[in-house]
Amino acid sequence: AQSVTQLDSQVPVFEEAPVELRCNYSSSVSVYLFWYVQYPNQGLQLLLKYLSGSTLVKGINGFEAEFNKSQTSFHLRKPSVHISDTAEYFCAVSEKTSYDKVIFGPGTSLSVIP
Amino acid sequence: IAGITQAPTSQILAAGRRMTLRCTQDMRHNAMYWYRQDLGLGLRLIHYSNTAGTTGKGEVPDGYSVSRANTDDFPLTLASAVPSQTSVYFCASSEGVTGELFFGEGSRLTVL
Repeated sequence: AQSVTQLDSQVPVFEEAPVELRCNYSSSVSVYLFWYVQYPNQGLQLLLKYLSGSTLVKGINGFEAEFNKSQTSFHLRKPSVHISDTAEYFCAVSEKTSYDKVIFGPGTSLSVIP
Repeated sequence: IAGITQAPTSQILAAGRRMTLRCTQDMRHNAMYWYRQDLGLGLRLIHYSNTAGTTGKGEVPDGYSVSRANTDDFPLTLASAVPSQTSVYFCASSEGVTGELFFGEGSRLTVL
């Protein structure tokens, strides 16, 4: 069975500084990878996804992530954060052979400090 | 476009009572899911349905049941609520190809 680890539960960062949110996964088969964002008191919305092809994927709001198969990682980055990026970020994985079970990591709370 | 609609948005419930959380989608997605979100644990899959008429168990199915009579509706029932079921519940749907999920706004349930 697949699993997802997000190494940092909370990440404080100053406005306009770069940020990296880490995600590692384990799976015995090929996977699809996702990052979702949850703003306070809202549902989750897709930030970006890796399905195949280029390992660097770009998402909304200036975020990008790089898929590293050898390290089984899918870290999320943004070169300059804004106050509005303060939110909870979830990494998720679905197996290509069993896409009906999407497993989420525990989440990383990003706090952008003015 | 409404997407996923959940009801109620919030509910306080006495232990032992029966409760049904409603979920409706208008995207004609085949797959639907129920997750619970608890602090520090992320989202955990309760039940899922790949298509109307079929359902499956997720990571934490005990104490919950679902039905999928048609494509649009996927209600979640707690037959006899317990305090450990206090959580925020999210319904989601997927076109079923890659696992990309579309979420509702959530239902906050408190069991006393």
